[in-house]
Parts: sequence; C-alpha cells; structure tokens
Amino acid sequence: GAVVSQHPSWVICKSGTSVKIECRSLDFQATTMFWYRQFPKQSLMLMATSNEGSKATYEQGVEKDKFLINHASLTLSTLTVTSAHPEDSSFYICSARSLGDKAYNEQFFGPGTRLTVL
Amino acid sequence: QKEVEQNSGPLSVPEGAIASLNCTYSDRGSQSFFWYRQYSGKSPELIMSIYSNGDKEDGRFTAQLNKASQYVSLLIRDSQPSDSATYLCAPRRGNAGNMLTFGGGTRLMVKP
Repeated sequence: GAVVSQHPSWVICKSGTSVKIECRSLDFQATTMFWYRQFPKQSLMLMATSNEGSKATYEQGVEKDKFLINHASLTLSTLTVTSAHPEDSSFYICSARSLGDKAYNEQFFGPGTRLTVL
Repeated sequence: QKEVEQNSGPLSVPEGAIASLNCTYSDRGSQSFFWYRQYSGKSPELIMSIYSNGDKEDGRFTAQLNKASQYVSLLIRDSQPSDSATYLCAPRRGNAGNMLTFGGGTRLMVKP
C-alpha cells in the first residue's frame, strides 16, 4: 500500500503555543488529504478535508481559525493547532487519497501525532 | 441513529476460530466500504475494501456486503492473537465529498 508519513510523531507543548503537524504522501500524489482527531477509546472524527491548492473544508463544530490547514502541494498538507489548550490534547491522524477514480481510490493513514498540551 | 453502527465488543474468540465482525450503515448512497484495523495507540491500517454485493476474499479475511440490507461484515479465519485490535468499518459517503464515515469500532480479542 501507499505510504503516508507524519511529523512529529508526538509533541508536548505549553498552553497558548502553536503546533504544526506535517502530513506527507511519500510514494504517490494525493489530491485530497484528511485530518482526523481521536480521543482515547473513541473513534476517529473527521476534522477537515484538504484539497491541494484550495481552502480546506471543515466539519461542523471545528474552528477553522484554530486549526489551520495548508495543502501546499500534492504530497504535503500541514495542520497548525493555534493557541493550543489542554482540551486540544489528542491523537491527530492524517490520511491521503490518491489520484484516480474517486469512487474507488482508497485512503491511507499516516502514523498519527500525539499532542499533549500542558 | 448513528451513521455507522458496530458492536463495540470486546469480541473474544479462541485462537484458530473464525471472528465475525458486523457493521450497519444508514447512508444508502454509500458505494465503497472499507475495513481498517487499529492497534492500540496506532493509526488505522486498511485491510479490506469492497464495492459490490457479495463476498470478497483476501487471505484469511473475507468481506461481505449487502447494500439492500445496508450491512457489511468482515470474517477473519484462523484468528491469531496478533489479530487482536479494534476493527473500524468505514463506508464512503455517497455525496460529492467522498469522505469516509467511521464506526466506533469493534474490539477483537483472540485468546491463545
């Protein structure tokens, strides 16, 4: 399967600071990348859909000014958590979908970034 | 009603047995269905995809789809302790966004 990387794999920061998470598709071009958040013992919740060269589409209830998404190229999307607070502590996972027939192409997940805000 | 429903488990099976994981979904427009495996503390890993009614086999895994009943399942034959994980069912939404909707997952425990 296709490989998606994330960096960093974990980060600890102070309340009020901003944290940037990178998501890269290593061996394929991704027209669309997705950002998810997962709290302990809960399922994945889609935060936003990121399309290369255009603004991200945020799910209801997700603050676009707090979670800044930039999809600068077909292989890189970044999520910046601005002014992070302890309640933002979570497991952030990106996924990427390859070019091709939208009905059948698959999503591949990155390894995730565990964010802890003190 | 949740968009995707799975029994949270845990589903406990002995090593070598068949594990049967079930999922129902509400969006009749869903055309593609995916099963992901997630180990504790890790991100999901795609294990099966199915698009047509019927069965699809891949090694020890068999996915079954019945769109009329809005039901999709995953069978794991000859279950191994390494199969112990949470299995997530994810239909792709039928709208233009083509996004996945994840169920809460079923936790599978395979006992040696």
